[in-house]
Amino acid sequence: EVQLVESGGGLVQPGGSLRLSCAASGFTFSTYAMSWVRQAPGKGLEWVSSIISGSRTFYADSVKGRFTISRDSSNSALYLQMHGLTAEDTALYYCAKPIIGVLRGFEDWGQGTLVTVSS
Amino acid sequence: QSALTQPASVSGSPGQSITISCTGTSSDVGGYNHVSWYQQHPGKAPKLMIYDVNDRPSGISNRFSGSKSGNTASLTIAGLQAEDEADYYCGSFTSSTTLVFGGGTKLTVL
Repeated sequence: EVQLVESGGGLVQPGGSLRLSCAASGFTFSTYAMSWVRQAPGKGLEWVSSIISGSRTFYADSVKGRFTISRDSSNSALYLQMHGLTAEDTALYYCAKPIIGVLRGFEDWGQGTLVTVSS
Repeated sequence: QSALTQPASVSGSPGQSITISCTGTSSDVGGYNHVSWYQQHPGKAPKLMIYDVNDRPSGISNRFSGSKSGNTASLTIAGLQAEDEADYYCGSFTSSTTLVFGGGTKLTVL
């Protein structure tokens, strides 16, 4: 059974930084691209970033230059380093695994970790 | 990248069929057969219902089907059931190698 468990969320001041983690199990982590998707309170889904390998990464314009996605296949872990956080980054951040490819559909999701940016 | 356009709400009675539209551009929906649909119940993570326009993941009821014409994709739910009441989101691969979601549609089963 695929399991994705996010952690690292919390309350951070505007301009601050946070590092999210996603612990994956139940599948061969190294063979899948992985993604982060966020959802602001009461709002819709927003794709944030995806990673195929260390050098093949993709970002939404809204986070490009501020967020960095990375992975550690030896530990089946996905990360999202976030800098320069603003109130607009307040959201539940989901780790997601695709059913096939990279951006063709996310079959497995974690339960999310909440990031709140506020002074 | 602008969000895909979905109706804010749709409704139907049990047993009926409903269709949710998802309109984009030739740079996303119209340009690729990589449209996906998600169901989200309150307080829960999204669930993949359709991928690659009209493919269903294992375990998803065949009451759910997808299609696409030009820049508009559609999700049809046949034989509406009470448990289908949820928010539905479409997503599409884009020419910028990103993913764009729709704003979401609230389905009410009357």
